[in-house]
Amino acid sequence: AQSVSQHNHHVILSEAASLELGCNYSYGGTVNLFWYVQYPGQHLQLLLKYFSGDPLVKGIKGFEAEFIKSKFSFNLRKPSVQWSDTAEYFCAIGGSQGNLIFGKGTKLSVKP
Amino acid sequence: EAQVTQNPRYLITVTGKKLTVTCSQNMNHEYMSWYRQDPGLGLRQIYYSMNVEVTDKGDVPEGYKVSRKEKRNFPLILESPSPNQTSLYFCASSERGSLTDTQYFGPGTRLTVL
Repeated sequence: AQSVSQHNHHVILSEAASLELGCNYSYGGTVNLFWYVQYPGQHLQLLLKYFSGDPLVKGIKGFEAEFIKSKFSFNLRKPSVQWSDTAEYFCAIGGSQGNLIFGKGTKLSVKP
Repeated sequence: EAQVTQNPRYLITVTGKKLTVTCSQNMNHEYMSWYRQDPGLGLRQIYYSMNVEVTDKGDVPEGYKVSRKEKRNFPLILESPSPNQTSLYFCASSERGSLTDTQYFGPGTRLTVL
């Protein structure tokens, strides 16, 4: 069965710090991977997605993620965070039913 | 504007009182689904629909019903709500429900069952 693990429950950073949020998945076949962001009080928005090709995926708002097949990982990165990046971040894998299987989420708090 | 809408956005009810949360999308998407979000558990799929009149259970379907009579609407029905259904609910849609489709989420409905 497919599953997604996000190891950091809550990350606190100062503005301009670099960000890396971990995501590991379990599935032996072809994977489709996603990162969604949920700003306080808002719905989920797609940050980026990986289906195939270049394992380094660039998304919106300066975020990027790297698919490392040998490590079953799809970590999210941003070189310099801003206060406005405060949100909850969800890694997800595409399921066989057309659904998304989400990790438990990582809350990011950025101190101004 | 392409969007998924849900109503109501907030609802407080009592145990056993039937309720319906509506979901509508204007993107002509075939695939629609419902998720619930609980702290520390992320989002879990309740039900999904591949097209009109085609629905199936997700990971946590107990206590919920859905219907898909029209392509644009996918209401979530709680026949007899219980406190453990207190949660934040999201409706989502995608073009075909394939693995590569981007899912678009509604704004969420925060339900409290007393």
